[in-house]
Amino acid sequence: DGGITQSPKYLFRKEGQNVTLSCEQNLNHDAMYWYRQDPGQGLRLIYYSQIVNDFQKGDIAEGYSVSREKKESFPLTVTSAQKNPTAFYLCASSSGQGSSANYGYTFGSGTRLTVV
Amino acid sequence: QQQVKQSPQSLIVQKGGISIINCAYENTAFDYFPWYQQFPGKGPALLIAIRPDVSEKKEGRFTISFNKSAKQFSLHIMDSQPGDSATYFCAASSNDYKLSFGAGTTVTVRA
Repeated sequence: DGGITQSPKYLFRKEGQNVTLSCEQNLNHDAMYWYRQDPGQGLRLIYYSQIVNDFQKGDIAEGYSVSREKKESFPLTVTSAQKNPTAFYLCASSSGQGSSANYGYTFGSGTRLTVV
Repeated sequence: QQQVKQSPQSLIVQKGGISIINCAYENTAFDYFPWYQQFPGKGPALLIAIRPDVSEKKEGRFTISFNKSAKQFSLHIMDSQPGDSATYFCAASSNDYKLSFGAGTTVTVRA
């Protein structure tokens, strides 16, 4: 089955620690995205990538980093510079080109990160 | 600065009733308006979407109404069922393919 796999489902981070969230897709989508979800604030864009080896900052990129070395993979690192990282993180992908039928996002099941 | 404003934040409806969620936008370059449904602990899933060249789109019990001049669009859930209890997000994008999301509406359907 085609889809997006996020791991781990739950992650605990100690103060001052960097952690990496995994996102893998087998949909052959060009574009991938990371969103952060906090209660009452909807989905906020952290980073996005439209092609391999290229990515752009979203609205709340500070304290986060990404890489896009393979089309299938778009890992997100939450660095110690992110002062309030506790949130639900969602990865998504889209075809990113062509007709509007390709605009829709497919989301993973999310990773819940908690600072301990 | 949220590019898509969504209301209400939450609503409660009786089984069989109609749920209505409204969204407004300012960016006239937006040309794709999807709605996503999210259950607790899960990622959002595409529910229904509309382009600005039509004023209404219906899929089963879900209908999008679109008012281009007012820059508003809404989701109507007819004959609401307990299984519809979820958080709904409206969104919009232009040709850069990035979706801007509303803040979400939590819908609770009482049996």
